[in-house]
Amino acid sequence: EAGVTQSPTHLIKTRGQQATLRCSPISGHTSVYWYQQALGLGLQFLLWYDEGEERNRGNFPPRFSGRQFPNYSSELNVNALELEDSALYLCASSLDPWGRGYTFGSGTRLTVV
Amino acid sequence: DQQVKQNSPSLSVQEGRISILNCDYTNSMFDYFLWYKKYPAEGPTFLISISSIKDKNEDGRFTVFLNKSAKHLSLHIVPSQPGDSAVYFCAAMSGGTSYGKLTFGQGTILTVHP
Repeated sequence: EAGVTQSPTHLIKTRGQQATLRCSPISGHTSVYWYQQALGLGLQFLLWYDEGEERNRGNFPPRFSGRQFPNYSSELNVNALELEDSALYLCASSLDPWGRGYTFGSGTRLTVV
Repeated sequence: DQQVKQNSPSLSVQEGRISILNCDYTNSMFDYFLWYKKYPAEGPTFLISISSIKDKNEDGRFTVFLNKSAKHLSLHIVPSQPGDSAVYFCAAMSGGTSYGKLTFGQGTILTVHP
């Protein structure tokens, strides 16, 4: 069974540009979660999508947005990139929002220069 | 506001001994707690969880203890093995408007020496 796949693995962008990160969940999982791990910090919750709808959102500005497609894959968009957006972005999928069944991808390392 | 804290950035243990990783939280609404393990270049993997109605949960070499009055949880690994060397994150969840959102600690790097 394929795990959660994220693309690209690494992304380098210039301040002010937009970044698009992609996530394919495990087959059958309808929930997708996005987390940001900045250097020295724990994982910070960004967004939760389920059945195509945004179900919950973390304490991030509106320039962090995303969507979930009918095949349950998801996209995270970060507009007007700032240097502090440089981080590892992790996607997880699950059938169960209580975290026990979370399967994380390996992440996208975003570097803003 | 760091609602979940892991105050020890790193822990070094000899193979075969006990590893104890600690986690403190401030939000009394948290009612479900989890531990994840993360190897370099991989995503975190779920290890063990505990509901707030329990004070202990055991799974093989891993035991999680919850002290609600102290708002403290710990993960015990007995015996520790070199393959346990990884970053360990504790996480917490509550219902209501925080449903589906895990709040993570900063992580503790565990090194188990052969």
